[in-house]
Amino acid sequence: AQKVTQAQTEISVVEKEDVTLDCVYETRDTTYYLFWYKQPPSGELVFLIRRNSFDEQNEISGRYSWNFQKSTSSFNFTITASQVVDSAVYFCALGGTGANNLFFGTGTRLTVIP
Amino acid sequence: DTEVTQTPKHLVMGMTNKKSLKCEQHMGHRAMYWYKQKAKKPPELMFVYSYEKLSINESVPSRFSPECPNSSLLNLHLHALQPEDSALYLCASSSGIRGNTEAFFGQGTRLTVV
Repeated sequence: AQKVTQAQTEISVVEKEDVTLDCVYETRDTTYYLFWYKQPPSGELVFLIRRNSFDEQNEISGRYSWNFQKSTSSFNFTITASQVVDSAVYFCALGGTGANNLFFGTGTRLTVIP
Repeated sequence: DTEVTQTPKHLVMGMTNKKSLKCEQHMGHRAMYWYKQKAKKPPELMFVYSYEKLSINESVPSRFSPECPNSSLLNLHLHALQPEDSALYLCASSSGIRGNTEAFFGQGTRLTVV
């Protein structure tokens, strides 16, 4: 069974602080794909990153970085020097090699306080 | 152009009305999706079209009827909805039809059934 757990329901940080959003997944597939999406108040889900299960290299994109650890089935997302525009709901999602059906976590609402 | 366009942005309809939601993408994507998102919940998959054919129907009630007139367009026809169907309806598309490709989402239609 596929499952994604985002234990942090809501997080508040003060602007310029670093924040890490946790994502733990479960899957029986040996090949799978992990995603992060951002959903601002406007409603649109914005794609941030995709990571393949066979590539554990961490990734950095500007203030964003992702830490993928297969040993703990985690794919955590860190925002460095947070900004008010980072306020949104962030979803971690899991995809398999079968039909395109993303399994979303319950999301983490991040509020960055100026 | 990495845009998925949905119309209308907001819709209020009575339980006896018939309405349609529209979605358009010009990225040449071969898979298109309808998701339903209730407040403070993750998106839930409703339908998937692959190469203009319905490939996944997640046991959605027949009062929701999808249609894919061509590879760029996706409609969701609504009839005899219930107040509990009020939600954000998101359309998405992806270049691949498997779970290894990221989906691009529209801004959604906020539907209220009265």
